[in-house]
Amino acid sequence: KQEVTQIPAALSVPEGENLVLNCSFTDSAIYNLQWFRQDPGKGLTSLLLIQSSQREQTSGRLNASLDKSSGRSTLYIAASQPGDSATYLCAVQKAGTALIFGKGTTLSVSS
Amino acid sequence: DGGITQSPKYLFRKEGQNVTLSCEQNLNHDAMYWYRQDPGQGLRLIYYSQIVNDFQKGDIAEGYSVSREKKESFPLTVTSAQKNPTAFYLCASSIWGASNQPQHFGDGTRLSIL
Repeated sequence: KQEVTQIPAALSVPEGENLVLNCSFTDSAIYNLQWFRQDPGKGLTSLLLIQSSQREQTSGRLNASLDKSSGRSTLYIAASQPGDSATYLCAVQKAGTALIFGKGTTLSVSS
Repeated sequence: DGGITQSPKYLFRKEGQNVTLSCEQNLNHDAMYWYRQDPGQGLRLIYYSQIVNDFQKGDIAEGYSVSREKKESFPLTVTSAQKNPTAFYLCASSIWGASNQPQHFGDGTRLSIL
C-alpha cells in the first residue's frame, strides 16, 4: 500500500531564508506527484504538479523535484516571506486511482 | 469563475442524525472526491466518482454514503453509523485520466457533534 511521508512536520524560519520541504513515497509506480498549500481552515491550493516522466517543475519562487526511483520529492522555496506561512501537502497518484496524501509540513516564516 | 462550492461551511450533528454535505463544481470535471481531514493529519479518501452514476469506496468509507446523479454534484451523507464524525471535510474534482491536470478543492465543511 502506498504511503507518503513528509519531513519535517513543522518548520520555523526567518524571512528571506531559502528552505526545502521533503516528501517520500513507498511505491515508485506513480502517475504524478502534486504539491498543495493549505491555509488554516481553508481548502487546498495546487502549487505544482510533476508527471512521472518529469524531473522538476518551477513556479515563481517554488521549485519541485521528483526522483521516482528513490521515491523522493522536494519542494524548494526561495527567499521565504511571511505570506508563505501555511501547511504544505504532498500527494501521489497512481493511474486509475485517487491521490494519497502525506500529513503535511507546517511552515512559519517570521518577519 | 469556475470552481468548487461546498456548503454549509459549518454543520452540527445531533446523536443519531444523518447529515448531508453539499459539493457542486462548474469546472466540467468528470471525477469528484470526498476527503476527511483530522487535526495534524493529511487527507484521507472517503469516496470518489469517476463518472455519473458510479462511485468507489476509499480508505474510510464506513459510516458515509454518496450519490452521483449529476456531473456537477457529489453530495456526501454522514450517517449515524459514523461514530466519530467531527472533522473537516473537503470535496475535490479533476479530469480523470489526465496526468498533467491537478485536483481542485473546495473550501471545506467543518462538522461538529452537538
